[in-house]
Amino acid sequence: QVQLQESGPGLVKPSETLSLTCAVSDYSITSGYYWGWIRQPPGKGLEWVGTIYHGGSTYYNPSLKSRVTISLATSKNQFSLKLSSVTAADTAVYYCARHSPRGAFDIWGQGTMVTVSS
Amino acid sequence: QSALTQPPSASGSLGQSVTISCTGTSSDVGNYNYVSWYQQHPDKAPKLMIYEVSKRPSGVPDRFSGSKSGNTASLTVSGLQAEDEAEYYCSSYGGSNNFGVFGGGTKLTVL
Repeated sequence: QVQLQESGPGLVKPSETLSLTCAVSDYSITSGYYWGWIRQPPGKGLEWVGTIYHGGSTYYNPSLKSRVTISLATSKNQFSLKLSSVTAADTAVYYCARHSPRGAFDIWGQGTMVTVSS
Repeated sequence: QSALTQPPSASGSLGQSVTISCTGTSSDVGNYNYVSWYQQHPDKAPKLMIYEVSKRPSGVPDRFSGSKSGNTASLTVSGLQAEDEAEYYCSSYGGSNNFGVFGGGTKLTVL
């Protein structure tokens, strides 16, 4: 059964870079599918952050594009998210998820809460 | 402001049916048959319930069904059960590799 697990610091200072990793088990990320990040501010809805294809192509939410980098670590079967110049508005639960070519997110990690605060 | 518009709340009695709407534009919902619906219980990750407008992943009860007309998609939950009480989000492919245009969510209460 394919599983995803997020990890990374729970607290990031304003203006710094948020870094998260998603470990994928029981499926090789180079075999197919798209791998994405979605976030959810406390008490609010879901927002797609960005996606990486198993071949390495990346796609970002236009509203975050200037600050987001998603990359693969194929030897570890992981993919990662970096979000630069964070502010309090970036405080959210961050989920990693697998999805189809047209955006059906079928397998999700449990989520990790990231707070931006000094 | 979310890209797709959902009612903030919906409710229905045990055993009854309820329909939740999701309105987008001709650039997303209206242009693609790639609408998904997610169920989220408190402090849990979302779960895919419907994809490609009306398809159900394995394991999702057939009480959940989806449809679309023009720029509006709908999720219907029939034979409401207590465990259906949750937040429901719609999403649509938005074109140009925009994979996740989400709605603001609808809180479904089972009376």
